[in-house]
Amino acid sequence: EAEVAQSPRYKITEKSQAVAFWCDPISGHATLYWYRQILGQGPELLVQFQDESVVDDSQLPKDRFSAERLKGVDSTLKIQPAELGDSAMYLCASSFSGTANTEAFFGQGTRLTVV
Amino acid sequence: AQSVTQLDSQVPVFEEAPVELRCNYSSSVSVYLFWYVQYPNQGLQLLLKYLSGSTLVESINGFEAEFNKSQTSFHLRKPSVHISDTAEYFCAVSETGGYQKVTFGTGTKLQVIP
Repeated sequence: EAEVAQSPRYKITEKSQAVAFWCDPISGHATLYWYRQILGQGPELLVQFQDESVVDDSQLPKDRFSAERLKGVDSTLKIQPAELGDSAMYLCASSFSGTANTEAFFGQGTRLTVV
Repeated sequence: AQSVTQLDSQVPVFEEAPVELRCNYSSSVSVYLFWYVQYPNQGLQLLLKYLSGSTLVESINGFEAEFNKSQTSFHLRKPSVHISDTAEYFCAVSETGGYQKVTFGTGTKLQVIP
């Protein structure tokens, strides 16, 4: 069964260090999302790609976060420098077309702990 | 702007008892509504969705939700819960048209007690 792959599953990093997460969406899915889920809260959209283009990054803290999807397939989310408040689960999701009625499939997430 | 309110952060219920998880939304335009389930240390899985048509939607594992436009609600129900239903449930809303921009609620942890 096709699934969204994310790595690593867990990451512990020190404050001010750089950290990166990787996501491989389901094959053929044009839309890729990165969400941040803080403990006790619902997921919050950080960035949305349609193929290789960003269609929404309004909630991405651009001073420290960056995301790319160079070939319109897999994607990397980077944080530099990491802060204590960045500790959260980072979820990647993909959907076939990204339209409002299309189901998004989620990966298992990367749990980041900043110490 | 759209928003979702899940008033109950935790709901304990005995096995085989019925359960209702409440969800209210706010939006100035037409919406699609979703319920996602998240098992411990896992990603989210779509449980059911309302796009149009019948206001009562069902999942394959016995959950159902009813879209009530006048009350702006989309409560999730199950007549008899199982231990395996223990998870966190997220209600979500997306405005119709254009690219999907889903807003999630804060989640309700369902704890099924043996």
